[in-house]
Amino acid sequence: EDQVTQSPEALRLQEGESSSLNCSYTVSGLRGLFWYRQDPGKGPEFLFTLYSAGEEKEKERLKATLTKKESFLHITAPKPEDSATYLCAVQALSGANSKLTFGKGITLSVRP
Amino acid sequence: DTEVTQTPKHLVMGMTNKKSLKCEQHMGHRAMYWYKQKAKKPPELMFVYSYEKLSINESVPSRFSPECPNSSLLNLHLHALQPEDSALYLCASSQDRAGNEQFFGPGTRLTVL
Repeated sequence: EDQVTQSPEALRLQEGESSSLNCSYTVSGLRGLFWYRQDPGKGPEFLFTLYSAGEEKEKERLKATLTKKESFLHITAPKPEDSATYLCAVQALSGANSKLTFGKGITLSVRP
Repeated sequence: DTEVTQTPKHLVMGMTNKKSLKCEQHMGHRAMYWYKQKAKKPPELMFVYSYEKLSINESVPSRFSPECPNSSLLNLHLHALQPEDSALYLCASSQDRAGNEQFFGPGTRLTVL
């Protein structure tokens, strides 16, 4: 069974204090790993797709990396508007190949 | 345009009511999804439509009935719901079923009294 574990559950940062969010996964074969940002009461907003170990993607203050067991979302010099829940999801090569297995999310709060 | 729209934004219904949630995308995507999300939990997949045919039903109770009238529209018909069905209902779409990112709509906040 595919599993995704995100840590920590919650993270409080001071504005400008860089950090990383972790997503550990077990999957029979990885088709893709996805990062989303979700604000309260809103739908998840797509951030990145990673397909193979060693791959990296960047967008503004965010950088996502992937190994064979985990992915990191690095946040450089965060601002209060980066406060949100960050969701990681994996899609397996086998089985129902459109199904995403989500982690429980990491709630990030950035204080001014 | 990477927008998925959903109506209504909020819905309050009694347990005997019949209502429908609507979802629309104009990205030419051929896979569309319904998810249910409870507070502080990740989204849970309910249904997947691929090329306008139902391809996945995650053992959802029959009081939820999906419909895909065409490649741009997805409906979720609701009947005889229970208070525990209160949640944020999310629609998503992707280019096809395999390996493509899913784009989510803003959701419908459903309250069942």
